[in-house]
Amino acid sequence: DGGITQSPKYLFRKEGQNVTLSCEQNLNHDAMYWYRQDPGQGLRLIYYSQIVNDFQKGDIAEGYSVSREKKESFPLTVTSAQKNPTAFYLCASSWGGSTEAFFGQGTRLTVV
Amino acid sequence: KQEVTQIPAALSVPEGENLVLNCSFTDSAIYNLQWFRQDPGKGLTSLLLIQSSQREQTSGRLNASLDKSSGRSTLYIAASQPGDSATYLCAVVGGATNKLIFGTGTLLAVQP
Repeated sequence: DGGITQSPKYLFRKEGQNVTLSCEQNLNHDAMYWYRQDPGQGLRLIYYSQIVNDFQKGDIAEGYSVSREKKESFPLTVTSAQKNPTAFYLCASSWGGSTEAFFGQGTRLTVV
Repeated sequence: KQEVTQIPAALSVPEGENLVLNCSFTDSAIYNLQWFRQDPGKGLTSLLLIQSSQREQTSGRLNASLDKSSGRSTLYIAASQPGDSATYLCAVVGGATNKLIFGTGTLLAVQP
């Protein structure tokens, strides 16, 4: 089955901890994206990558980091510098350019 | 900076009614526009993709139109069903970065 897999579905973080959200795709897409969704604010872009070993900051990159060592994987680390990390995180991928984007099922991160 | 607006924010209709959801964007230099559906606590499901050179796309009971010059798109849902209840999001892709920029969505409730 082709698609995008995010894990875990639910994640709890203690104050001061770094946590990593996984995103894997088997669609052979070049471009991958991370979005954050908060109630009433829509989706905001955190980071995106158009090719392996390259990525760019989105609109709200502070307190987050990513890597793109493999085409199929784009993990997101939420660092302790992110002061308000509780949100729903969505990963997406596409061929790039004017092509259709597909999303994973999301990871809900809660600070405890 | 591209801004995407969706009106109305929420809509409640009786089953069987035809309805229109609106999406407007401020910069007409887009590559494409994509409509998504999101169920509570879930990821986004792609519904329709309209390339900048196209005027409309159809899939089953859904029809999406695009007027780039006026910065508008509409999603028409025919013969609505309770299973259509969800949040509908539009997103545009423009410029060299291939970033999707989202509206805040329309929450649709179809009453049986």
